[in-house]
Amino acid sequence: SQTIHQWPATLVQPVGSPLSLECTVEGTSNPNLYWYRQAAGRGLQLLFYSVGIGQISSEVPQNLSASRPQDRQFILSSKKLLLSDSGFYLCAWLGGPSYNEQFFGPGTRLTVL
Amino acid sequence: AQKVTQAQTEISVVEKEDVTLDCVYETRDTTYYLFWYKQPPSGELVFLIRRNSFDEQNEISGRYSWNFQKSTSSFNFTITASQVVDSAVYFCALSEARRGNQFYFGTGTSLTVIP
Repeated sequence: SQTIHQWPATLVQPVGSPLSLECTVEGTSNPNLYWYRQAAGRGLQLLFYSVGIGQISSEVPQNLSASRPQDRQFILSSKKLLLSDSGFYLCAWLGGPSYNEQFFGPGTRLTVL
Repeated sequence: AQKVTQAQTEISVVEKEDVTLDCVYETRDTTYYLFWYKQPPSGELVFLIRRNSFDEQNEISGRYSWNFQKSTSSFNFTITASQVVDSAVYFCALSEARRGNQFYFGTGTSLTVIP
């Protein structure tokens, strides 16, 4: 069966520090991968998605970046965090019988102080 | 323009009451998919249901039921005999096949079931 992992689960970082969040998927190959951010009390905002190694599409211009160094690994990064980067970050992969269902990881709660 | 609208930001019901969560979507595609996800306090999104645009049959799963009406572009979710464990944020989502299965989420409805 397929599983999706995210780490760390929680993170507290000072403003201006770098960020690296990791997402890995097991049990499938060449998945579409997605990064979402959910600000407190808000909906989901799609940040990046990837259809393959090295292929990244950005939905929202900001100080975040994403990379996909391996087939089942998706990394969200920042060189300098802003206060507004605080939120709940969710990774998802596209699966299901028709490959049009998104399944989500457990999320990373980021607090920027 | 918002592709998925969940007009109800917060709903509170007393346990055992029925509750309907509204979802209105907007698309020009003929092939699309609609979803409901549940986000309990733990944060992880749990997939509940997927419907494709060619299947307007309503679906029932235990206490959950979904009413898909293309004429009104709505995909409403009803919980019958609500329970405290139903308390969560519920998201409706739209995926357009033409757009490579990119998902559009509504802003969510926070449901509180009061014991």
